[in-house]
Amino acid sequence: AQSVSQHNHHVILSEAASLELGCNYSYGGTVNLFWYVQYPGQHLQLLLKYFSGDPLVKGIKGFEAEFIKSKFSFNLRKPSVQWSDTAEYFCAVKANNAGNMLTFGGGTRLMVKP
Amino acid sequence: GAGVSQSPSNKVTEKGKDVELRCDPISGHTALYWYRQRLGQGLEFLIYFQGNSAPDKSGLPSDRFSAERTGESVSTLTIQRTQQEDSAVYLCASSKTGTSGAVGEQYFGPGTRLTVT
Repeated sequence: AQSVSQHNHHVILSEAASLELGCNYSYGGTVNLFWYVQYPGQHLQLLLKYFSGDPLVKGIKGFEAEFIKSKFSFNLRKPSVQWSDTAEYFCAVKANNAGNMLTFGGGTRLMVKP
Repeated sequence: GAGVSQSPSNKVTEKGKDVELRCDPISGHTALYWYRQRLGQGLEFLIYFQGNSAPDKSGLPSDRFSAERTGESVSTLTIQRTQQEDSAVYLCASSKTGTSGAVGEQYFGPGTRLTVT
């Protein structure tokens, strides 16, 4: 069965700092990859997704992620964070030959200090 | 348009009682999913519906958990004889299914926070 690891459970940054959140998955086949964000008191929302093509994907609010197949990674990046980026971030994988459900990482709680 | 809705938003129940959680997916979304999120953890997959059939029930943690779906509409997740370890946020998601059978991205509801005392 596939699994997803997010290495950082809690991250604290100051505004304007750069962000990189790690995500690694274990599955040898074709995958679809996602980052979801949950702002305080709100639903999970899709931040960005990778299905195929260019491994560098751009999402909403200036976020991007790069799929590196050889490293089984899909790290999330943002060059300059804002206080409003304070939220919990979840990486998720859909393995194409293993059903339609998403397998989620444990989440990374990001706090941005103003 | 309207998103995925879930009810109730919060439910407190006594150990041993049964609970029913409801999910209304986005109109036209044929695929529906239930997940569970325990405090401080990621989401665990419970069950997936395509239309009103459930091809994947692999995540249901015990036979106390069951779910049904009416057509391509409302789904209910039932937990019988609740235990304290059932306390969690239960999330529902829905997605479209393409003509090739591939499912699209999942849209999540706000969740039901279940507390078993």
